[in-house]
Amino acid sequence: SQQGEEDPQALSIQEGENATMNCSYKTSINNLQWYRQNSGRGLVHLILIRSNEREKHSGRLRVTLDTSKKSSSLLITASRAADTASYFCATLTYRDDKIIFGKGTRLHILP
Amino acid sequence: SQTIHQWPATLVQPVGSPLSLECTVEGTSNPNLYWYRQAAGRGLQLLFYSVGIGQISSEVPQNLSASRPQDRQFILSSKKLLLSDSGFYLCAWTGGVPINYGYTFGSGTRLTVV
Repeated sequence: SQQGEEDPQALSIQEGENATMNCSYKTSINNLQWYRQNSGRGLVHLILIRSNEREKHSGRLRVTLDTSKKSSSLLITASRAADTASYFCATLTYRDDKIIFGKGTRLHILP
Repeated sequence: SQTIHQWPATLVQPVGSPLSLECTVEGTSNPNLYWYRQAAGRGLQLLFYSVGIGQISSEVPQNLSASRPQDRQFILSSKKLLLSDSGFYLCAWTGGVPINYGYTFGSGTRLTVV
């Protein structure tokens, strides 16, 4: 069953601009994670935010979590061509020891 | 350091043929192991996961099966492939309960059933 849903499905921005992607989920979570996937490659873990955290930073990445709205956002600042990839949110519920992925946002950074 | 190996990278198989994809993890013990499938332009679908040798949980009933013959080895199999089995197969691992850790993924196997 689908737990996380990313929005938008696709996003194109100019290099140097900020990119924001959103994720909504349905049930209470233990944590929420964001992953990046370059075309034809495996996924790379970017950042994990726990349900009791509201914001987390890692380099040019900023993740927020609003458990009351069951939503999260991933902000990439000062985008670069190398940021072109698909970005997935994934949620871990309290019941399970597995994470469920959304369908992803395809980000394209224009030169 | 921990590494995950997945092979082969690409595979073209005829309908009705068997399948065996292998995934191994190095540098850790008793990992949780996972098989995901990704259809073209889609998200990831969890197929199987294992928390220990011989322990397999199936998420989606289909003609695929998984086995864990050794602690750090996870195998995805099929006796007879269908066209709908085409996709990108990803193996992943995490150490113990994944409350504080993300998953580490292999590089994937692109399977085309013809």
